[in-house]
Amino acid sequence: GDSVTQMEGPVTLSEEAFLTINCTYTATGYPSLFWYVQYPGEGLQLLLKATKADDKGSNKGFEATYRKETTSFHLEKGSVQVSDSAVYFCALSHRGSQGNLIFGKGTKLSVKP
Amino acid sequence: DVKVTQSSRYLVKRTGEKVFLECVQDMDHENMFWYRQDPGLGLRLIYFSYDVKMKEKGDIPEGYSVSREKKERFSLILESASTNQTSMYLCVTSGSTYEQYFGPGTRLTVT
Repeated sequence: GDSVTQMEGPVTLSEEAFLTINCTYTATGYPSLFWYVQYPGEGLQLLLKATKADDKGSNKGFEATYRKETTSFHLEKGSVQVSDSAVYFCALSHRGSQGNLIFGKGTKLSVKP
Repeated sequence: DVKVTQSSRYLVKRTGEKVFLECVQDMDHENMFWYRQDPGLGLRLIYFSYDVKMKEKGDIPEGYSVSREKKERFSLILESASTNQTSMYLCVTSGSTYEQYFGPGTRLTVT
């Protein structure tokens, strides 16, 4: 079945460091890919998405490119801030699944000043 | 504004109790989902529904049931709560565009 694998955390970075959180997927066909973020004490929020190969999703300085050849959707940010400390979830969804999301296990990011 | 509400933010129940978690949406969405979120395990799908009175098992349906009598309401039922059902429960909805909307979550503790 479909699955999402993302790098295990926790990840600890200093402010202004470069961030990469790896995400790979296994799926039939052409799923849509998502990154969700959960700030401490809050619910999940959609951070960015890409619906087809080579699409780049971007939001709040974060980017991820849908790479079908490597079945990857790695999250990157050039310069992280303390306020980016959160748990990040990679997920996929198939058109035929009525929006059912399959999530990775989440990666906790801590950014130190 | 899109709204998905869940009946409780925090809930404490005893082992063996019957527990109802309610989710209500005001977007006329066909699809509704219940997930549980556990540290290190991510979000796992319990049940979903794509129409009134329709339900489908997700990845971990054991110990749970659901009810969808009206389009806007999707209930998750723990017939006999157990300590391993202590978790954060998230309701999610999606419509024709398949964009997902999350409720705020219910943190359930079973003692």
